[in-house]
Amino acid sequence: GDSVTQMEGPVTLSEEAFLTINCTYTATGYPSLFWYVQYPGEGLQLLLKATKADDKGSNKGFEATYRKETTSFHLEKGSVQVSDSAVYFCALNDYKLSFGAGTTVTVRA
Amino acid sequence: EAGVAQSPRYKIIEKRQSVAFWCNPISGHATLYWYQQILGQGPKLLIQFQNNGVVDDSQLPKDRFSAERLKGVDSTLKIQPAKLEDSAVYLCASSPDRGGNTEAFFGQGTRLTVV
Repeated sequence: GDSVTQMEGPVTLSEEAFLTINCTYTATGYPSLFWYVQYPGEGLQLLLKATKADDKGSNKGFEATYRKETTSFHLEKGSVQVSDSAVYFCALNDYKLSFGAGTTVTVRA
Repeated sequence: EAGVAQSPRYKIIEKRQSVAFWCNPISGHATLYWYQQILGQGPKLLIQFQNNGVVDDSQLPKDRFSAERLKGVDSTLKIQPAKLEDSAVYLCASSPDRGGNTEAFFGQGTRLTVV
């Protein structure tokens, strides 16, 4: 079945550092890909999405490109802030929304 | 626009007891999901409804878990009897349709502790 694998955490960074969280997927169809974020004490919310190959999703300085040839959807941000500390989940939707295990990111001032 | 509402927010029960969670999705959303999120793991889909029909319940432990969505709106998830390993956050989400490119909107979740 469809599945998502994302890099294990936790990840600890200093402010203004570059962040990459790797995500790869397995799917039989043509899924849409998502990054969700869970800030401390809050619910899951959509960060960005891409619905077809070569699409780039972006939001709040984060970007991810849907790469069909490498079945990947890596999340990147050029300069992180303390407020980016959260748990990040990669997900795919091929009529069933499936999540990766999550990556905890802590940004230190 | 009101979000997905869940209740209760927290619940503590003893093993072998029963418990029920309630979810009110965003108005007009056809698809409703229940997920189980164990601490340190990603959400695991338990059941997906399209209107009031079940689309996927392949990971629902049917010997103890049940769910229904009356009139294609509100939904309840029940556990009977509960086991220690059921301790988790139960998330409800909804989306406008079943299409793969639509995002799901999540409630705050119900944190269940089984002692």
